[in-house]
Amino acid sequence: DVHLVESGGGLVQPGGSLRLSCSASGFIFNNYVMQWVRQPPGKGLEYVSAISGNGGTKYYPDSVKGRFTLSRDNSKNTMYLEMSGLRTEDTAVYYCVRGGSSGWYVPFDYWGQGALVTVSS
Amino acid sequence: EIVMTQSPATLSVSPGERATLSCRAGQSVGSSLAWYQQKPGQPPRLLIYGASTRATGIPARFSGSGSGTEFTLTISSLQSEDFAVYYCQQYNSWPPLTFGGGTKVEIK
Repeated sequence: DVHLVESGGGLVQPGGSLRLSCSASGFIFNNYVMQWVRQPPGKGLEYVSAISGNGGTKYYPDSVKGRFTLSRDNSKNTMYLEMSGLRTEDTAVYYCVRGGSSGWYVPFDYWGQGALVTVSS
Repeated sequence: EIVMTQSPATLSVSPGERATLSCRAGQSVGSSLAWYQQKPGQPPRLLIYGASTRATGIPARFSGSGSGTEFTLTISSLQSEDFAVYYCQQYNSWPPLTFGGGTKVEIK
């Protein structure tokens, strides 16, 4: 079975930093695109970042570009999201999501349970 | 970026009734459209992909239709476990893959 487990969420002050991890199992990790999708409390879903299987291609929307850095360690089946310069509007549940084995253009079949990040003073 | 618009924002339906949810894309996405269901405190669950193909384990009362820019999710006879928020998503154009704002299906 495919499992995605996020960790590293918590409370951080505006301007602070946090690192999220996503530990994956049940599939050949380095074959798959991996992504983060976030959801502010009571709101909809936002595609936050994506990384190719070999880590060579990454995507960030303008809302997080320059502040968030995505990486992966295929030897540990783990993806990381380094977040800095955090703002109150970054407060959300962050979901780790498996992408496709053949590219970017696939629906999201597996999601983690999510990690809550709260940015507040 | 392709903007996805869902309507209505909230749909009040009685158990056993039919629910029809709409999703419109700002430009054609072909059949690269997925629907997700989300219940409180849970991650979204994939219901439909390819505009009309049910994901594994999804009951037959859920059906999807449409292509291009207009899509519909129909729940033929609402069960108590179907009251939730539903999101559409296009995966035809990257980056990014975009979601609609969601439709909440509530008990009437």
